[in-house]
Amino acid sequence: KQEVTQIPAALSVPEGENLVLNCSFTDSAIYNLQWFRQDPGKGLTSLLLIQSSQREQTSGRLNASLDKSSGRSTLYIAASQPGDSATYLCAVLVGTASKLTFGTGTRLQVTL
Amino acid sequence: SAVISQKPSRDICQRGTSLTIQCQVDSQVTMMFWYRQQPGQSLTLIATANQGSEATYESGFVIDKFPISRPNLTFSTLTVSNMSPEDSSIYLCSVDEGNLSNEQFFGPGTRLTVL
Repeated sequence: KQEVTQIPAALSVPEGENLVLNCSFTDSAIYNLQWFRQDPGKGLTSLLLIQSSQREQTSGRLNASLDKSSGRSTLYIAASQPGDSATYLCAVLVGTASKLTFGTGTRLQVTL
Repeated sequence: SAVISQKPSRDICQRGTSLTIQCQVDSQVTMMFWYRQQPGQSLTLIATANQGSEATYESGFVIDKFPISRPNLTFSTLTVSNMSPEDSSIYLCSVDEGNLSNEQFFGPGTRLTVL
């Protein structure tokens, strides 16, 4: 059974810092990995999708990497801003049935 | 990407009653899913909503408790039946548009509180 873990569970950083969020998964036979952002009480916003054949994806200040063999992904946020404060979730897709398994999430707070 | 809406956005219900949540997509999509997010927890897949046939439920979820309909490729409903306070959660629908990336997009969620 696929298990997805995110470290740290919570993180507080001052504005302007670069930071890394970690995601690990137990079954390396994934189809893809998605990073999402969730604001309190809201739905999920897709940030980045990495296919299993890819090593990284970039969107603006966000960069996600994938090391499938070791079961790890990282989300790098450059020059953090207070508006980045949210919970970040990673999710892996196994097989073609489109079933996502979610991680436990990292709650990020960026302070002024 | 597909634009997804859910109704209601939130509700407060009495135990023993049922609530039907609607999910509408602005384009035809191959696959639709329903997730539950209990307070302070991550998301758990309830079922895959299959167009024209019965939904496929994950372990721990049953049709009598969470009946699902999907009459066409743009709409689905999830009913939470005979509710108890333990059903208080955010319920989210998601879609896979069916392109090669298999990227999923989520609706805004329905926040349910059961008293």
